[in-house]
Amino acid sequence: NAGVTQTPKFQVLKTGQSMTLQCAQDMNHEYMSWYRQDPGMGLRLIHYSVGAGITDQGEVPNGYNVSRSTTEDFPLRLLSAAPSQTSVYFCASSSGMGQVNYGYTFGSGTRLTVV
Amino acid sequence: AQSVTQLGSHVSVSEGALVLLRCNYSSSVPPYLFWYVQYPNQGLQLLLKYTTGATLVKGINGFEAEFKKSETSFHLTKPSAHMSDAAEYFCAVSEGGGFKTIFGAGTRLFVKA
Repeated sequence: NAGVTQTPKFQVLKTGQSMTLQCAQDMNHEYMSWYRQDPGMGLRLIHYSVGAGITDQGEVPNGYNVSRSTTEDFPLRLLSAAPSQTSVYFCASSSGMGQVNYGYTFGSGTRLTVV
Repeated sequence: AQSVTQLGSHVSVSEGALVLLRCNYSSSVPPYLFWYVQYPNQGLQLLLKYTTGATLVKGINGFEAEFKKSETSFHLTKPSAHMSDAAEYFCAVSEGGGFKTIFGAGTRLFVKA
């Protein structure tokens, strides 16, 4: 049982480049989220999804795009990378039932540097 | 909108001493509250959660937390610190148990021998 799998683990981008961070879970969780972690700021919610075909914005959505075509996958797209997007990105899925959140399972993260 | 405040970005205790990490929340509806732990270069792991019912909740590794509605607090405690408890701890809230979860800034726990 792999849980939540994020790829790549490390990435260096040039300013203006685009890329997709991949996230997949094999626990049949309906709910998935993307967070970024920056020193002293904790985790900030970027986008989340309550099921296939349904996404919504979190606290810091600008510069990021998501889609959810399947229950398993929730990719995060950086449209035009900026140095301010240098961060560690975490994907998480929830073991909720009946629209109640019982807590997240996190992936191991993607460390992104934009130069 | 919900929010979380963790008091103290760094806490240092001696091995065997009481661990107390403070968390206050704001929520317009009854909250679900969570504590997560993050070890270096790893993702976050759920320690414990409060949903409804008993206000004192027990988690893994000997940690527990008490939901106090009147104080809007959810402090994390452990009677006796162990060196392996050194990590960063995050408090989180979701309004009404919904899926949108907001995290605090985190508290790094140091354990001295």
